[in-house]
Amino acid sequence: DTGVSQDPRHKITKRGQNVTFRCDPISEHNRLYWYRQTLGQGPEFLTYFQNEAQLEKSRLLSDRFSAERPKGSFSTLEIQRTEQGDSAMYLCASSSVSLGYTIYFGEGSWLTVV
Amino acid sequence: AQSVTQLGSHVSVSEGALVLLRCNYSSSVPPYLFWYVQYPNQGLQLLLKYTTGATLVKGINGFEAEFKKSETSFHLTKPSAHMSDAAEYFCAVILPKAGTALIFGKGTTLSVSS
Repeated sequence: DTGVSQDPRHKITKRGQNVTFRCDPISEHNRLYWYRQTLGQGPEFLTYFQNEAQLEKSRLLSDRFSAERPKGSFSTLEIQRTEQGDSAMYLCASSSVSLGYTIYFGEGSWLTVV
Repeated sequence: AQSVTQLGSHVSVSEGALVLLRCNYSSSVPPYLFWYVQYPNQGLQLLLKYTTGATLVKGINGFEAEFKKSETSFHLTKPSAHMSDAAEYFCAVILPKAGTALIFGKGTTLSVSS
């Protein structure tokens, strides 16, 4: 069990640029989640997948955000035309419905938009 | 819809003192409840969880929590604080029968002084 892996861990980008984060869940976990966390706040739910199907999207996920999980394994979260308000830590997590509802988190990907 | 309220954004205790972090939830159906801990610049680590069965659950690092349905609470306690317990603590809820994602409270920062 290698845990949930996220890449890159830190990203600094200029406003208006596109960024993409990758998440590799724990193997055999069929659910994958994306959260956003800003300083001093709890993680806010963005979206989740069960296998390759995106089952729920938060209203926080604007049109500039897109997430995919093409083969039901790793996932990507892309932010287009970044804004300073997008600066946050993006957390990925995974779980297995058959193994209970414990959700395991990765170390997060820090985004700074300048 | 479910929600979580953590009373007290900051709690300070002395080393060796009792730790009590409060969490109340709102849910229309039986919830599963979780406590996570987050150290600076890291992801979230599961401390303990309540799903069904025994309402007093024990977790890692000497923490425990009790699910009280009548009070809609899931407070986290530790008999004796250690300096290494200083971190951010998050209470979270999921409604398994509704297929929702994990929803977090805003967090409580625990400070431990010597």
